[in-house]
Amino acid sequence: DGGITQSPKYLFRKEGQNVTLSCEQNLNHDAMYWYRQDPGQGLRLIYYSQIVNDFQKGDIAEGYSVSREKKESFPLTVTSAQKNPTAFYLCASSIDNGASGNTDTQYFGPGTRLTVL
Amino acid sequence: QKEVEQNSGPLSVPEGAIASLNCTYSDRVSQSFFWYRQYSGKSPELIMSIYSNGDKEDGRFTAQLNKASQYVSLLIRDSQPSDSATYLCAVVYSGAGSYQLTFGKGTKLSVIP
Repeated sequence: DGGITQSPKYLFRKEGQNVTLSCEQNLNHDAMYWYRQDPGQGLRLIYYSQIVNDFQKGDIAEGYSVSREKKESFPLTVTSAQKNPTAFYLCASSIDNGASGNTDTQYFGPGTRLTVL
Repeated sequence: QKEVEQNSGPLSVPEGAIASLNCTYSDRVSQSFFWYRQYSGKSPELIMSIYSNGDKEDGRFTAQLNKASQYVSLLIRDSQPSDSATYLCAVVYSGAGSYQLTFGKGTKLSVIP
């Protein structure tokens, strides 16, 4: 059963704590993405990776870090430097970034809801 | 400045009617356009992608693209209460060798039984 999984579904963070959100895909997609969604808002891009061992900052990367050591995995760490981390975090993947044709369709995981206590 | 604009709604239509959702974008060179449906508390799911001017139909859904007017729309025929959700328009913007998807804030649709 192919798809994108995210864990945990709900996460609670204390002030000053770093937390890591997991994202795994078995679709053999090269590109992976992290978005943040706040209530009543669209999705905003945090980081993206077009290939293993490479990633780029999106529009709101401050206070976040990522790694891409394996094609299947793209974990996101929310650091203590992120002052307002409470949000719904969504991971997505696509065949590639669309540079070679219409292969840029992104598919989303179920999301992780992070709350700061 | 990358912008994707949608009316936030809510848009209310009676069951069986046609729902029309609209989206405008700012970058003339955009080539890829997507509509996602998002139920409350859930992640977005892809409904349609469209790359060429004109209409693209898939079941009860029709996407319409007009690149000259920088306008993309989604029509839902025979609307059902299960279509009640927020619909997100997304546009791929390219620059500096990368291709990024920019989302509108979404239009909330309510289909009234």
